[in-house]
Amino acid sequence: GAGVSQSPSNKVTEKGKDVELRCDPISGHTALYWYRQSLGQGLEFLIYFQGNSAPDKSGLPSDRFSAERTGGSVSTLTIQRTQQEDSAVYLCASSSDRGPSNEQFFGPGTRLTVL
Amino acid sequence: RKEVEQDPGPFNVPEGATVAFNCTYSNSASQSFFWYRQDCRKEPKLLMSVYSSGNEDGRFTAQLNRASQYISLLIRDSKLSDSATYLCVVAFYKLSFGAGTTVTVRA
Repeated sequence: GAGVSQSPSNKVTEKGKDVELRCDPISGHTALYWYRQSLGQGLEFLIYFQGNSAPDKSGLPSDRFSAERTGGSVSTLTIQRTQQEDSAVYLCASSSDRGPSNEQFFGPGTRLTVL
Repeated sequence: RKEVEQDPGPFNVPEGATVAFNCTYSNSASQSFFWYRQDCRKEPKLLMSVYSSGNEDGRFTAQLNRASQYISLLIRDSKLSDSATYLCVVAFYKLSFGAGTTVTVRA
């Protein structure tokens, strides 16, 4: 079946512009996660959605970052007034249950470059 | 201190060799442990879970030492296709990822 998809695959933007990154999780998966990965670094947790519960936003690095998940499916990560340090690969993952012991399936990521 | 720390490597080994590496974690309350594999410019994928008693999956063996708070991965009879970055992952209420250990298997 279809895996997690993300769009765009690459995004180049100018400093100060807003960007929106999209994630389509695996159908039926209730949990959705956003991470970012900078070159040579591990995955940095950003935000986590589980069903209709309030999202865990504890990993968002600043108030320029926000995310929403509509209808319990598609999610959009928005970065306002982008800065050069926002350049990274943004990865979305979904899993079938809330528990951290469940396998997370990752999308291919969006490579964001802020000039 | 990072929640999960790994030797970044790289570990360069010939085909057929055995390679092993560890990661350490800081939160003693961590509940679940995993190894993910990430190929160059690709997304991470689950390689195997790590159980308290240790577990094998083909040529891969994972061990957990809760007392010393480390996890290990051993690859036997390494193949060219094992070349990748191996991410140590620890779960408390969310997953924490290490920065990865790079393994390169040469012919």
